[in-house]
Amino acid sequence: RKEVEQDPGPFNVPEGATVAFNCTYSNSASQSFFWYRQDCRKEPKLLMSVYSSGNEDGRFTAQLNRASQYISLLIRDSKLSDSATYLCVVAASGTYKYIFGTGTRLKVLA
Amino acid sequence: GAVVSQHPSWVICKSGTSVKIECRSLDFQATTMFWYRQFPKQSLMLMATSNEGSKATYEQGVEKDKFLINHASLTLSTLTVTSAHPEDSSFYICSAIGREMEKLFFGSGTQLSVL
Repeated sequence: RKEVEQDPGPFNVPEGATVAFNCTYSNSASQSFFWYRQDCRKEPKLLMSVYSSGNEDGRFTAQLNRASQYISLLIRDSKLSDSATYLCVVAASGTYKYIFGTGTRLKVLA
Repeated sequence: GAVVSQHPSWVICKSGTSVKIECRSLDFQATTMFWYRQFPKQSLMLMATSNEGSKATYEQGVEKDKFLINHASLTLSTLTVTSAHPEDSSFYICSAIGREMEKLFFGSGTQLSVL
């Protein structure tokens, strides 16, 4: 079983749609959680950290369920510019050894 | 925010040659740098962790004699792919973190194509 699993997609959604991505992780010692965005042949860019209480940044909402070892990302009012691959990232406590999921591809259609 | 510069952005080389990729932290001292490899439609896979002044720690399955990592200063780490072969063609990315920093900063990546 992979340490971090994501549905690879692709998710093709119309502009303005709401889309949700899920991610599960296997290491219960994981303490840091992130969502990154990666465009083709580019470096990943931090979208948001994920906190136990859940957090929101504009149109993006992230949730963490430690009991189920599950992380989610919700994107509201999708824009064309949201088209990218979204990477779920997990790290154990006290380490910056990031474990990346395979990513979920999103394509927002006009 | 902090800046990590990676060079070159892309390189094409013949099979059997060696390729060096540089990763520099431009405005902070990077106590730790990480090197990743990403094949098409796959995840970033950590290859090795590099601490300044010490030998790199390689992940399982990564050949340390093939992927030479040098972290000689607090602002520079290099990855040398020795005797490159077509199966080494991939996207290589570095990341860095300094003291009292809370997150990693990534280089822009290097696309390596071995003919």
